[in-house]
Amino acid sequence: SQTIHQWPATLVQPVGSPLSLECTVEGTSNPNLYWYRQAAGRGLQLLFYSVGIGQISSEVPQNLSASRPQDRQFILSSKKLLLSDSGFYLCAWRMGFAYEQYFGPGTRLTVT
Amino acid sequence: SQQGEEDPQALSIQEGENATMNCSYKTSINNLQWYRQNSGRGLVHLILIRSNEREKHSGRLRVTLDTSKKSSSLLITASRAADTASYFCATDGGSQGNLIFGKGTKLSVKP
Repeated sequence: SQTIHQWPATLVQPVGSPLSLECTVEGTSNPNLYWYRQAAGRGLQLLFYSVGIGQISSEVPQNLSASRPQDRQFILSSKKLLLSDSGFYLCAWRMGFAYEQYFGPGTRLTVT
Repeated sequence: SQQGEEDPQALSIQEGENATMNCSYKTSINNLQWYRQNSGRGLVHLILIRSNEREKHSGRLRVTLDTSKKSSSLLITASRAADTASYFCATDGGSQGNLIFGKGTKLSVKP
């Protein structure tokens, strides 16, 4: 069966520090991968998605970036965090647009 | 832009009662998905209903879809305290086929 992992689970970082969040999927090949952010009490905002290795599309221009170095690995990065980057970051995968989308456990990021 | 809008924003019921949540959307869809999120946790996939389906069941869950009204409903029967969570609908109305989520309905089931 398929499993999606995210780490770390929680992270507290100072403003201006770099960020690297990792997501990996097991048990499937060539999934579509997604990064979402959820601010407190709000819905999910799509940040990035990828349909293949090295293929990244950005929905929201900001100081975050994403990379997909391997088929089942998706990384969210920032060179310098802002206070507004605080939130709950969720990675998700699906096999195609007609299929269910599954989420990882999330990373709670607090920028201080 | 926001596609799905859940209604009500919050719902409080007693254990054993049924809970109904509604979702409205704006554009044509291929499918609609419902998710549950416990406080501070990731989203758990509940059910996917395709545009050519009108009703779908999974255990105590019943989902309906009315494409003419651009709306869906999630019914949880015989609710339990463990059903306390936020529930989101998501549609595939994104520009690249990605899911778009509403802000969710916060369900509280009191024992």
